[in-house]
Amino acid sequence: EVQLLESGGGLVQPGGSLRLSCAASGFTFSSYAMSWVRQAPGKGLEWVSDISRSGSNTYYADSVKGRFTISRDNSKNTLYLQMNSLRAEDTALYYCAKDRKRDGYNDEWGQGTLVTVSS
Amino acid sequence: EVVLTQSPATLSLSPGERATLSCRASQSVRNYLAWYQQKPGQAPRLLIYDASNRATGIPARFSGSGSGTDFTLTISSLEPEDFAVYYCQQRSSWPVTFGGGTKVEIK
Repeated sequence: EVQLLESGGGLVQPGGSLRLSCAASGFTFSSYAMSWVRQAPGKGLEWVSDISRSGSNTYYADSVKGRFTISRDNSKNTLYLQMNSLRAEDTALYYCAKDRKRDGYNDEWGQGTLVTVSS
Repeated sequence: EVVLTQSPATLSLSPGERATLSCRASQSVRNYLAWYQQKPGQAPRLLIYDASNRATGIPARFSGSGSGTDFTLTISSLEPEDFAVYYCQQRSSWPVTFGGGTKVEIK
């Protein structure tokens, strides 16, 4: 059974930093691209970032480019999102999601970790 | 950036009725479009990929169609568990984008 368990969320002041983690199990982590998708309270889904299987290719939404960094450690089956210079508008539930079959569609999702940016 | 516009924003229907949801892209995404279902307090679930292919375990009452800029998700006969929010997503180019969602509610 595929499991994706996010952690690292919490309350942070504007301008602060957080690192999210997503521990994966139940599949060969290194064989799949991964994504982060977020959802502000009461709002729709917003794609944040993708990373390739090896980690050599990364992609970002314009809203987070230059502030967020996606990475992965295939030896630890873990996906990361380093978030710097956080803003109030980054407040959201952050989901990690697994690529289906090298096509970018996300067929498995974690339950999310909540990030709140507020003073 | 490809903008996806979903309509209607809310669809009020009764169990057993047919639901037709629309997703329009600001430019062609070929067939690189997916549909997701999200229920309150839950993560999204992949329903349809490549515009018309049902994901693993998705019931046959869900079907997708379209290509280019106009796409449709059809639920042939609504079951009680189908009342939820539905999002389309394009994977044709980065940045990946989602539509704003259609809420299917019980009439």
